[in-house]
Amino acid sequence: EPEVTQTPSHQVTQMGQEVILRCVPISNHLYFYWYRQILGQKVEFLVSFYNNEISEKSEIFDDQFSVERPDGSNFTLKIRSTKLEDSAMYFCASIGGTYEQYFGPGTRLTVT
Amino acid sequence: KQEVTQIPAALSVPEGENLVLNCSFTDSAIYNLQWFRQDPGKGLTSLLLIQSSQREQTSGRLNASLDKSSGRSTLYIAASQPGDSATYLCAVRPRGSSNTGKLIFGQGTTLQVKP
Repeated sequence: EPEVTQTPSHQVTQMGQEVILRCVPISNHLYFYWYRQILGQKVEFLVSFYNNEISEKSEIFDDQFSVERPDGSNFTLKIRSTKLEDSAMYFCASIGGTYEQYFGPGTRLTVT
Repeated sequence: KQEVTQIPAALSVPEGENLVLNCSFTDSAIYNLQWFRQDPGKGLTSLLLIQSSQREQTSGRLNASLDKSSGRSTLYIAASQPGDSATYLCAVRPRGSSNTGKLIFGQGTTLQVKP
């Protein structure tokens, strides 16, 4: 069964450093998303991406964040200068024709 | 602004019991509602998707209902098993000018099924 994959599973970085989280959505899906979940809190929408551009972003998704689909398979989230409050689980998701949203296993980002 | 609430926050039941998890949302203008399962430290596994025009969906021991007008959904789990222990999340896809498919999540119900 096709699945969304994410790498790395865990990333530790120092405050102020840049990180890139990587995702491979399901191959025939066209809509891609990033969400985050701070420990003990709700899953929060960050950004949606369609046709090689951002279609919607939340208030959380400020200038420190960017997304890219560098090739036909990868979808990345970059945080330019990480802050302590960026520590969270980051989930990638994609949607196919059934409108069911499929999530990856997540990347745990720890900023020290 | 769409808000999703799940009650109870935690639930502990003996094995074999049937149970109901509740989800409510403030704005009935939704495309669909999706139930997920999340194991500790893991990703989200989709359980059921209910389109706004549907009343319920079933998968195995799971049955999800949707009452859009009252802003409520329930997830019914029959004959619970210890392996059902996890956090169950409800999420809605709101309608609106920016129909991008984003989901708005509830805070989840953490279920423990005791052997």
